[in-house]
Amino acid sequence: KQEVTQIPAALSVPEGENLVLNCSFTDSAIYNLQWFRQDPGKGLTSLLLIQSSQREQTSGRLNASLDKSSGRSTLYIAASQPGDSATYLCAVRSSGYSTLTFGKGTMLLVSP
Amino acid sequence: DAGVIQSPRHEVTEMGQEVTLRCKPISGHNSLFWYRQTMMRGLELLIYFNNNVPIDDSGMPEDRFSAKMPNASFSTLKIQPSEPRDSAVYFCASSLQFRTGGFGGLDQETQYFGPGTRLLVL
Repeated sequence: KQEVTQIPAALSVPEGENLVLNCSFTDSAIYNLQWFRQDPGKGLTSLLLIQSSQREQTSGRLNASLDKSSGRSTLYIAASQPGDSATYLCAVRSSGYSTLTFGKGTMLLVSP
Repeated sequence: DAGVIQSPRHEVTEMGQEVTLRCKPISGHNSLFWYRQTMMRGLELLIYFNNNVPIDDSGMPEDRFSAKMPNASFSTLKIQPSEPRDSAVYFCASSLQFRTGGFGGLDQETQYFGPGTRLLVL
Protein backbone atom coordinates (compact mmCIF):
# COMPACT_ATOMS: atom_id res chain seq x y z
CA LYS A 1 0.00 0.00 0.00
CA GLN A 2 1.38 3.37 -1.04
CA GLU A 3 2.15 5.79 1.78
CA VAL A 4 3.02 9.45 1.28
CA THR A 5 4.83 11.52 3.91
CA GLN A 6 5.41 15.27 3.90
CA ILE A 7 8.04 17.07 5.94
CA PRO A 8 7.85 19.51 7.60
CA ALA A 9 4.24 19.57 8.78
CA ALA A 10 4.44 23.34 9.18
CA LEU A 11 6.85 26.03 8.06
CA SER A 12 7.06 29.73 8.79
CA VAL A 13 9.37 31.99 6.77
CA PRO A 14 9.81 35.72 6.15
CA GLU A 15 8.81 37.13 2.81
CA GLY A 16 11.43 36.79 0.08
CA GLU A 17 12.98 33.54 1.23
CA ASN A 18 13.43 30.57 -1.08
CA LEU A 19 12.04 27.39 0.45
CA VAL A 20 11.76 23.67 -0.16
CA LEU A 21 8.90 21.36 0.76
CA ASN A 22 9.55 17.64 0.86
CA CYS A 23 7.45 14.63 -0.10
CA SER A 24 8.39 10.96 0.13
CA PHE A 25 6.52 7.86 -1.01
CA THR A 26 7.05 4.20 -0.20
CA ASP A 27 6.33 2.52 -3.54
CA SER A 28 8.41 3.81 -6.44
CA ALA A 29 6.09 2.24 -9.03
CA ILE A 30 4.21 5.46 -9.71
CA TYR A 31 2.43 6.85 -12.73
CA ASN A 32 2.71 10.49 -11.74
CA LEU A 33 3.01 12.85 -8.80
CA GLN A 34 1.13 16.09 -8.19
CA TRP A 35 1.49 19.04 -5.91
CA PHE A 36 -1.69 20.76 -4.77
CA ARG A 37 -2.38 23.94 -2.85
CA GLN A 38 -5.20 24.27 -0.32
CA ASP A 39 -6.29 27.60 1.10
CA PRO A 40 -8.20 27.67 4.42
CA GLY A 41 -11.82 26.62 3.95
CA LYS A 42 -11.30 25.89 0.28
CA GLY A 43 -10.77 22.89 -1.97
CA LEU A 44 -7.50 21.81 -3.53
CA THR A 45 -5.95 23.38 -6.60
CA SER A 46 -3.41 21.52 -8.72
CA LEU A 47 -0.07 23.33 -9.03
CA LEU A 48 2.22 20.94 -10.87
CA LEU A 49 2.01 17.42 -12.23
CA ILE A 50 5.13 15.37 -12.92
CA GLN A 51 4.89 12.22 -15.00
CA SER A 52 7.00 9.27 -13.87
CA SER A 53 9.28 9.73 -16.88
CA GLN A 54 10.00 13.36 -15.99
CA ARG A 55 12.52 14.79 -13.55
CA GLU A 56 10.97 18.19 -12.94
CA GLN A 57 8.23 20.65 -13.82
CA THR A 58 8.22 24.42 -13.50
CA SER A 59 5.46 26.98 -13.24
CA GLY A 60 6.42 30.55 -12.48
CA ARG A 61 8.19 30.65 -9.11
CA LEU A 62 7.42 26.99 -8.46
CA ASN A 63 9.65 24.08 -9.38
CA ALA A 64 8.88 20.47 -8.55
CA SER A 65 11.40 17.67 -8.89
CA LEU A 66 10.94 13.92 -8.86
CA ASP A 67 13.41 11.19 -7.96
CA LYS A 68 11.36 8.07 -8.47
CA SER A 69 14.08 5.61 -7.50
CA SER A 70 14.53 7.18 -4.08
CA GLY A 71 10.81 7.86 -3.62
CA ARG A 72 11.16 11.61 -3.21
CA SER A 73 9.83 14.83 -4.61
CA THR A 74 10.53 18.42 -3.66
CA LEU A 75 8.58 21.59 -4.29
CA TYR A 76 10.81 24.65 -4.52
CA ILE A 77 9.21 28.07 -4.06
CA ALA A 78 11.39 31.00 -5.06
CA ALA A 79 11.10 34.46 -3.51
CA SER A 80 8.17 33.55 -1.28
CA GLN A 81 5.30 36.00 -0.84
CA PRO A 82 2.55 36.30 1.80
CA GLY A 83 0.09 35.13 -0.86
CA ASP A 84 1.92 31.79 -0.92
CA SER A 85 0.62 31.06 2.58
CA ALA A 86 -1.45 27.88 2.31
CA THR A 87 -1.22 24.14 2.85
CA TYR A 88 0.68 22.27 0.16
CA LEU A 89 -0.20 18.63 -0.47
CA CYS A 90 1.68 16.03 -2.42
CA ALA A 91 -0.29 13.24 -4.13
CA VAL A 92 0.92 10.11 -5.87
CA ARG A 93 -0.86 8.07 -8.51
CA SER A 94 0.55 4.54 -8.34
CA SER A 95 1.01 2.50 -11.48
CA GLY A 96 -2.12 0.54 -12.37
CA TYR A 97 -4.38 2.77 -10.31
CA SER A 98 -6.63 5.67 -11.24
CA THR A 99 -6.72 7.15 -7.75
CA LEU A 100 -4.39 9.39 -5.75
CA THR A 101 -2.74 8.85 -2.38
CA PHE A 102 -2.21 12.13 -0.53
CA GLY A 103 0.28 13.23 2.07
CA LYS A 104 -1.01 15.18 5.07
CA GLY A 105 0.44 18.40 3.77
CA THR A 106 2.83 21.15 4.81
CA MET A 107 1.22 24.29 6.23
CA LEU A 108 3.23 27.29 5.00
CA LEU A 109 3.08 30.76 6.50
CA VAL A 110 4.96 33.57 4.78
CA SER A 111 5.10 36.68 6.91
CA PRO A 112 5.52 40.20 5.48
CA ASP B 1 -17.71 26.45 -16.18
CA ALA B 2 -18.60 26.93 -12.51
CA GLY B 3 -16.28 24.17 -11.37
CA VAL B 4 -17.27 21.35 -9.05
CA ILE B 5 -20.28 22.33 -6.97
CA GLN B 6 -20.97 20.89 -3.55
CA SER B 7 -23.88 21.40 -1.21
CA PRO B 8 -24.41 22.13 1.54
CA ARG B 9 -21.21 23.98 2.42
CA HIS B 10 -21.79 23.46 6.13
CA GLU B 11 -23.89 20.90 7.95
CA VAL B 12 -24.48 20.52 11.66
CA THR B 13 -26.52 17.56 12.79
CA GLU B 14 -27.11 15.37 15.78
CA MET B 15 -25.84 11.86 16.21
CA GLY B 16 -28.14 9.32 14.62
CA GLN B 17 -29.49 11.63 11.94
CA GLU B 18 -29.17 10.99 8.22
CA VAL B 19 -26.83 13.28 6.30
CA THR B 20 -26.79 13.67 2.51
CA LEU B 21 -24.00 15.48 0.74
CA ARG B 22 -24.36 16.48 -2.90
CA CYS B 23 -21.95 17.03 -5.75
CA LYS B 24 -22.22 18.31 -9.30
CA PRO B 25 -19.04 17.53 -11.29
CA ILE B 26 -17.61 19.61 -14.10
CA SER B 27 -19.56 19.06 -17.31
CA GLY B 28 -17.81 16.56 -19.56
CA HIS B 29 -15.84 14.89 -16.80
CA ASN B 30 -16.38 11.14 -16.51
CA SER B 31 -14.66 10.40 -13.20
CA LEU B 32 -15.86 11.48 -9.77
CA PHE B 33 -14.17 11.08 -6.42
CA TRP B 34 -15.39 11.53 -2.84
CA TYR B 35 -12.75 12.32 -0.21
CA ARG B 36 -12.81 12.93 3.55
CA GLN B 37 -10.31 15.22 5.26
CA THR B 38 -9.49 15.27 8.97
CA MET B 39 -6.56 16.61 10.92
CA MET B 40 -5.64 13.14 12.13
CA ARG B 41 -5.89 11.16 8.91
CA GLY B 42 -5.45 13.81 6.23
CA LEU B 43 -7.24 13.41 2.89
CA GLU B 44 -8.64 9.95 2.30
CA LEU B 45 -10.39 8.61 -0.78
CA LEU B 46 -13.81 7.19 0.04
CA ILE B 47 -15.10 6.12 -3.36
CA TYR B 48 -14.37 6.63 -7.05
CA PHE B 49 -16.83 6.50 -9.95
CA ASN B 50 -16.07 6.20 -13.64
CA ASN B 51 -18.88 6.73 -16.15
CA ASN B 52 -21.33 6.70 -13.21
CA VAL B 53 -20.20 3.23 -12.08
CA PRO B 54 -18.48 2.76 -8.69
CA ILE B 55 -14.99 1.44 -9.40
CA ASP B 56 -13.30 1.52 -6.01
CA ASP B 57 -15.22 1.84 -2.76
CA SER B 58 -12.56 0.31 -0.53
CA GLY B 59 -12.24 3.59 1.36
CA MET B 60 -15.86 3.69 2.47
CA PRO B 61 -15.59 3.35 6.26
CA GLU B 62 -18.55 1.10 6.91
CA ASP B 63 -22.09 0.28 5.95
CA ARG B 64 -23.33 3.57 7.33
CA PHE B 65 -21.81 5.25 4.29
CA SER B 66 -23.27 4.94 0.81
CA ALA B 67 -22.70 6.81 -2.44
CA LYS B 68 -24.64 7.01 -5.66
CA MET B 69 -24.17 8.55 -9.06
CA PRO B 70 -27.51 8.31 -10.89
CA ASN B 71 -26.24 10.34 -13.85
CA ALA B 72 -23.14 12.10 -15.14
CA SER B 73 -24.01 15.40 -13.49
CA PHE B 74 -24.92 14.41 -9.95
CA SER B 75 -23.65 12.33 -7.06
CA THR B 76 -24.62 11.92 -3.41
CA LEU B 77 -22.80 10.67 -0.34
CA LYS B 78 -25.11 9.56 2.44
CA ILE B 79 -24.32 8.80 6.06
CA GLN B 80 -27.01 6.98 8.02
CA PRO B 81 -26.90 7.02 10.99
CA SER B 82 -24.30 9.72 11.52
CA GLU B 83 -21.82 9.60 14.42
CA PRO B 84 -19.55 12.27 15.97
CA ARG B 85 -16.47 10.58 14.48
CA ASP B 86 -17.89 11.34 11.01
CA SER B 87 -17.19 15.03 11.59
CA ALA B 88 -14.82 16.12 8.82
CA VAL B 89 -14.64 18.05 5.58
CA TYR B 90 -15.95 16.04 2.65
CA PHE B 91 -14.64 16.89 -0.80
CA CYS B 92 -15.89 15.91 -4.21
CA ALA B 93 -13.53 16.01 -7.20
CA SER B 94 -13.95 15.28 -10.89
CA SER B 95 -11.65 14.60 -13.80
CA LEU B 96 -11.59 13.38 -17.37
CA GLN B 97 -10.27 9.88 -17.89
CA PHE B 98 -9.42 8.69 -21.38
CA ARG B 99 -7.66 5.89 -23.19
CA THR B 100 -4.23 6.50 -24.63
CA GLY B 101 -1.83 4.49 -26.75
CA GLY B 102 -2.25 1.39 -28.84
CA PHE B 103 -2.71 -0.85 -25.83
CA GLY B 104 -5.65 1.18 -24.52
CA GLY B 105 -3.99 2.38 -21.35
CA LEU B 106 -5.99 4.78 -19.19
CA ASP B 107 -4.79 8.30 -18.57
CA GLN B 108 -6.41 10.95 -16.47
CA GLU B 109 -6.29 14.68 -16.37
CA THR B 110 -5.81 16.40 -13.03
CA GLN B 111 -8.64 16.26 -10.52
CA TYR B 112 -10.65 19.41 -9.88
CA PHE B 113 -11.90 19.77 -6.34
CA GLY B 114 -15.06 21.33 -5.02
CA PRO B 115 -15.03 23.67 -2.01
CA GLY B 116 -16.02 20.89 0.37
CA THR B 117 -18.80 20.30 2.90
CA ARG B 118 -17.85 20.86 6.52
CA LEU B 119 -19.82 18.34 8.57
CA LEU B 120 -20.19 18.49 12.34
CA VAL B 121 -22.04 15.69 14.10
CA LEU B 122 -22.92 16.50 17.69
